[in-house]
Amino acid sequence: GNSVTQMEGPVTLSEEAFLTINCTYTATGYPSLFWYVQYPGEGLQLLLKATKADDKGSNKGFEATYRKETTSFHLEKGSVQVSDSAVYFCALSNNAGNNRKLIWGLGTSLAVNP
Amino acid sequence: DAGITQSPRHKVTETGTPVTLRCHQTENHRYMYWYRQDPGHGLRLIHYSYGVKDTDKGEVSDGYSVSRSKTEDFLLTLESATSSQTSVYFCATSGSGLEETQYFGPGTRLLVL
Repeated sequence: GNSVTQMEGPVTLSEEAFLTINCTYTATGYPSLFWYVQYPGEGLQLLLKATKADDKGSNKGFEATYRKETTSFHLEKGSVQVSDSAVYFCALSNNAGNNRKLIWGLGTSLAVNP
Repeated sequence: DAGITQSPRHKVTETGTPVTLRCHQTENHRYMYWYRQDPGHGLRLIHYSYGVKDTDKGEVSDGYSVSRSKTEDFLLTLESATSSQTSVYFCATSGSGLEETQYFGPGTRLLVL
């Protein structure tokens, strides 16, 4: 079945460091891929998404490219800030008829130190 | 934001009591979901709805029931709360058509003593 694997955390970086959070997936068909972010004490919110192979999603300085050949959707940011400290979730769509669901990774906690 | 509210935001209850959590949305989204979030388990789907009165089980549905009598409201009921149901519960919604993004509420923190 469909699944998502993302790197375990916690990840700790200094401000202005480069960030990569790995996400790989297993899927049949052509799912859409998502990154969500959860700030402390809040619900999840969409960070970026890509709907087909080679698409690049981007938002708030974060980027991820849908790589079908490596079944990956790694999240990157060139220079992190303290305000980026959060938990990041990778997900893929898994739709069949009325069954519209997202398959979730376990989340990666990021802490950015000043 | 999809205009999703959850109530209550915090609740403490005792083992064996029934508990109902409410999710309300103002976006007329067709799909609604209940998740629980626990350390080490990420997000796990409890139940979801694909329309009024149309619901189905998720991966961790035992001990939970849901109802959706109108588009904007999705209720989650713990029939007889247990300590293992202590968790943070999130409601999410998704529209129809090609848009698959889910929009989340702020969560309900439930403690079962």
